[in-house]
Amino acid sequence: RKEVEQDPGPFNVPEGATVAFNCTYSNSASQSFFWYRQDCRKEPKLLMSVYSSGNEDGRFTAQLNRASQYISLLIRDSKLSDSATYLCVVNDSGNTGKLIFGQGTTLQVKP
Amino acid sequence: DVKVTQSSRYLVKRTGEKVFLECVQDMDHENMFWYRQDPGLGLRLIYFSYDVKMKEKGDIPEGYSVSREKKERFSLILESASTNQTSMYLCAGKGAAEAFFGQGTRLTVV
Repeated sequence: RKEVEQDPGPFNVPEGATVAFNCTYSNSASQSFFWYRQDCRKEPKLLMSVYSSGNEDGRFTAQLNRASQYISLLIRDSKLSDSATYLCVVNDSGNTGKLIFGQGTTLQVKP
Repeated sequence: DVKVTQSSRYLVKRTGEKVFLECVQDMDHENMFWYRQDPGLGLRLIYFSYDVKMKEKGDIPEGYSVSREKKERFSLILESASTNQTSMYLCAGKGAAEAFFGQGTRLTVV
């Protein structure tokens, strides 16, 4: 079983749609969690951190469910510019700060 | 503005060559990482370092080595390049929270 698993998609949605991505992780001792965004032929960039209480940044909402070991990202009112690959990232439970990436979920927002 | 800089955007090397990929960060971060990214496989960790002169193998270290002589610089070395090492290589620096990536080096081994 992979340490971090995501549905690779692609998710094809119309503008204005709400779309949700899930990610599961295998190590229950994992300490911190992130969503990164990667545009085609570019490096990944932090979209948002994921906190136990859930957090929201504009149209984006991230949730963490430790009991079920999954993380979610909700995008409301999708824009064409949201088209990208979204990477789920888990910080290893050790002290090394090692980051483990999911394969990524591709989103294509269409007019 | 934090910065992680990789020495080359594109490289073409011949099979058997020794290849150096350089990465420099200006964030004073202890942790640095080298990943490779291939279609359908995502980012896979090659090596990481949590301090100067310290290194740890990641998930796919075979055929690679690293060097961290100074805190700001983390080098990835392909001892004898092979065609299956053609890939996008991404370096990252990380402090207490998120990681910042360099722009990536697209390496082609012919």
